[in-house]
Amino acid sequence: EVQLVQSGAEVKKPGESLKISCEASGYTFTNHWIAWVRQLPGKGLEWVGIIYPYDADTRYSPSFQGQVTISADKSVNTAFLQWNSLKASDTAMYYCARFKQTEIHPFDYWGQGTLVTVSS
Amino acid sequence: SYELTQPPSVSVSPGQTASITCSGDKLEDKYVSWYYQKPGQSPVVIIYQDNERPSGIPERFSGSNSGNTATLTISGTQATDEGDYYCQAWDTSTNVVFGGGTKLTVL
Repeated sequence: EVQLVQSGAEVKKPGESLKISCEASGYTFTNHWIAWVRQLPGKGLEWVGIIYPYDADTRYSPSFQGQVTISADKSVNTAFLQWNSLKASDTAMYYCARFKQTEIHPFDYWGQGTLVTVSS
Repeated sequence: SYELTQPPSVSVSPGQTASITCSGDKLEDKYVSWYYQKPGQSPVVIIYQDNERPSGIPERFSGSNSGNTATLTISGTQATDEGDYYCQAWDTSTNVVFGGGTKLTVL
C-alpha cells in the first residue's frame, strides 16, 4: 500500500528554522517525483516545488524560490521541506504528494499534511 | 505566469448535475487533473488526463477539456459530494498550476 506519512504539527517563532518530512512507503521511492503544496488557512492549493529523489533534480515555484529548500534522502525514502528563517506568513498546512511524470500524471497519493504555525 | 480560473462556488440540488469549469489559455493543449478536498482532509485526485477516473472514483464523476475550458461534471450529485474542487495543469514541464478552487454546495 502506497503511503506518504508526514511529520507532526510544528509551532515556531519568527526567525526560527524548520525542516518537515514526508516518508514514503509501498513503492519505489526513486521512481516518482515528490511535490510540496501549501494551503494557507481557508485558502486554495499552491505549488511549492518538486523533487525527483533518483537524482535530486529539484524545481521551485517562482513564488517560493529562495524561500524554502526541498531535499530528499533515498536511504530513508524521505523528502524534506525546510526554512532557514520562518515568517508569520509561512503559517499554513503543507502537503507532500507523489506523481510519476511531469505534464502527464496527477498527484495520485498525498500525505496527511503538516500544520506549521509561526507566531511570536 | 499561467493561470487557471474557477468559479468560487457552485450550488446544485441533490440528484442533479453539477458542472465546475476551469479556464486557461489554450487549456486543451494541456492535461488537466481534478482534485476533491473535504474540510480537514488531504486532496484526492478524481479525474486525470482530462477525463480518466482513478480506480475507486464513482462513474458519476467525469471530465472534459476543449478550447480554453476544462469541465468537471458530477451526475446525480449527492450530499457527500460537498467540498472543494481544484483543477490542476502544468504551465511548463516544471511549473504546476492549481485553479483557485470551487466550493460545491448541495442544497
